Formats: sequence, C-alpha cells, structure tokens
Amino acid sequence: DAGVIQSPRHEVTEMGQEVTLRCKPISGHDYLFWYRQTMMRGLELLIYFNNNVPIDDSGMPEDRFSAKMPNASFSTLKIQPSEPRDSAVYFCASSLSENSPLHFGNGTRLTVT
Amino acid sequence: AQSVAQPEDQVNVAEGNPLTVKCTYSVSGNPYLFWYVQYPNRGLQFLLKYITGDNLVKGSYGFEAEFNKSQTSFHLKKPSALVSDSALYFCAVRDTDDKIIFGKGTRLHILP
Repeated sequence: DAGVIQSPRHEVTEMGQEVTLRCKPISGHDYLFWYRQTMMRGLELLIYFNNNVPIDDSGMPEDRFSAKMPNASFSTLKIQPSEPRDSAVYFCASSLSENSPLHFGNGTRLTVT
Repeated sequence: AQSVAQPEDQVNVAEGNPLTVKCTYSVSGNPYLFWYVQYPNRGLQFLLKYITGDNLVKGSYGFEAEFNKSQTSFHLKKPSALVSDSALYFCAVRDTDDKIIFGKGTRLHILP
C-alpha cells in the first residue's frame, strides 16, 4: 500500500495566483481530511469528507478556499486567490472508519510570496 | 465540543530514562483518544488509541498510554527513551461529529 499520496510536495507561488493541492487517499478509506499546520496555530482541520461528501467545512478560513472530492480516490484543495498568510504545510489524511486511525500524507509545503 | 490540552511545549529526557508526555481531555460522553508522532518533513503517524477496555494501551515503538478517567488524562509513556524518539507528539480526540481534534503538540528531545 502506497499510503496517502499528496502532490506537489512543495509549491511556491506569488500572491494572487491560484493554487491547487492534490490528494489520493488509501483505497477503501471512507473518510478524508484536510489539515493545515503552522507554527502559530498548530494543526487545524479545514474540511473533511465521508464517502466523497463534504461533512464539515467550518474550518475553511474563507471563501478563497474550496475543496472537492469528485471520486473515492481523489481530492483537491484550491486557494484562489492565494495570500502570503496562506503559507503553511497542508496535510491530507484518510481513515477507514470513524474510529480508525488517520493515515497522513507527507504534506504540501506552500509558500506564497 | 471535545478538546485536548498538552501543557508542555517541550520535554527533555536523557536517553535510557523513562519519558512521559502529558495530555488532558475534555469530552462529553465516552472519549476516543489518540496519540500521533511527527518526524521532520513528514506527516503524522499513528501510535496508539483508546476507545474502550483496559486503561493501559500499548502502541508502536514501545510506547504506551494510560487512560485516567478521574483525572481526565491520557499521558504517553515509554520506560526507556531512545534518541530516535525525538520528535513532535500530538494528542487527539474524536469529536461527536467524527472530527479529529489535535492538541498543539509537545516537542520531545532525548538527550544522548
């Protein structure tokens, strides 16, 4: 099993540009989570899906952020337009069920200049 | 809402000594608690969980955690620390709507 796969590993972009982060969860996992990690705020849950359906997006900072899960094997997190304060490491994680452990990808380090 | 607190930003332990990383929780109902570890430039890795049953839970890499209902604590422990245990440790709780909420993390330094 390849685990949760995120791409790209690093993204450097200029303020105002659109950024798309990608995630492939572990096959068969019903839950998918997007987290953001910064030194100041730690790990923040942005949004999570159950069976491809968004369940709670209350952690999404503002309308510039959007996430989709068009099928069970792919999810995207989009920021449009990006701002320097969006700079962080973004993690995708999946789990088999509600009580199962999360399996994390290695993250995408986003730098917005 | 459920929450966890990790009161220590950093813990320093000499190699070979026992280690404890503290976590307290606040939940309504039965707590579902987890510990994860993060190494540099990597995602979090699951160590162990408490759902129900024995209060002492054993996990990966020789770690264990003790669930204490009266003290609302779930401290992570290891009898003998290794330098390779140096990492960032997160306590987490499952919220009533299946969200996993993480503490702020504790950086563990094992001194050779």
